[in-house]
Amino acid sequence: RKEVEQDPGPFNVPEGATVAFNCTYSNSASQSFFWYRQDCRKEPKLLMSVYSSGNEDGRFTAQLNRASQYISLLIRDSKLSDSATYLCVVNSLTGNQFYFGTGTSLTVIP
Amino acid sequence: DGGITQSPKYLFRKEGQNVTLSCEQNLNHDAMYWYRQDPGQGLRLIYYSQIVNDFQKGDIAEGYSVSREKKESFPLTVTSAQKNPTAFYLCASIHQGSGHQPQHFGDGTRLSIL
Repeated sequence: RKEVEQDPGPFNVPEGATVAFNCTYSNSASQSFFWYRQDCRKEPKLLMSVYSSGNEDGRFTAQLNRASQYISLLIRDSKLSDSATYLCVVNSLTGNQFYFGTGTSLTVIP
Repeated sequence: DGGITQSPKYLFRKEGQNVTLSCEQNLNHDAMYWYRQDPGQGLRLIYYSQIVNDFQKGDIAEGYSVSREKKESFPLTVTSAQKNPTAFYLCASIHQGSGHQPQHFGDGTRLSIL
């Protein structure tokens, strides 16, 4: 079983739509969770960390559900510039290793 | 500005040749990582190092070697034993001991076979 699993998509949504991605992880002892954004042929860039209480940054909301072992990312009022691949990342208990999902592709359509 | 610098941006390897990818960081980070990314796939860990002169194999270390002689440098050598080296290689670093922090990435090296 993979450490982290994501729906690869693609998600094609119109501008202004709300879209949500989920990511499941297998190790219940995992401690830290992150969402990264990766543009085509570029390096991943941190979008936001995911805290137990949930957190929001503008149009982006991240949530953690430890009981069901998944994290989610909600994007409201989608912009064309949101088109990218979104990677969920889980940090091991020791903090030494990071496990990456395969990414979810989002295209926002005019 | 502090950051992670990878070079070269593009690299071509001939059959039987070893090539070395550079990764330098001036963030004073303790741990450094090398990942490989293939199209449509997630990042896979090749090697990581938590302190100078020490490193551990990741999930796909075969055909690769690393060194960590200085805190700021973590070069990756793709040896001729790696039969399918074409991929996007990413270096990352993190400052340990400050809770669980996210990784910072360099802008990657694209390696292709000639």
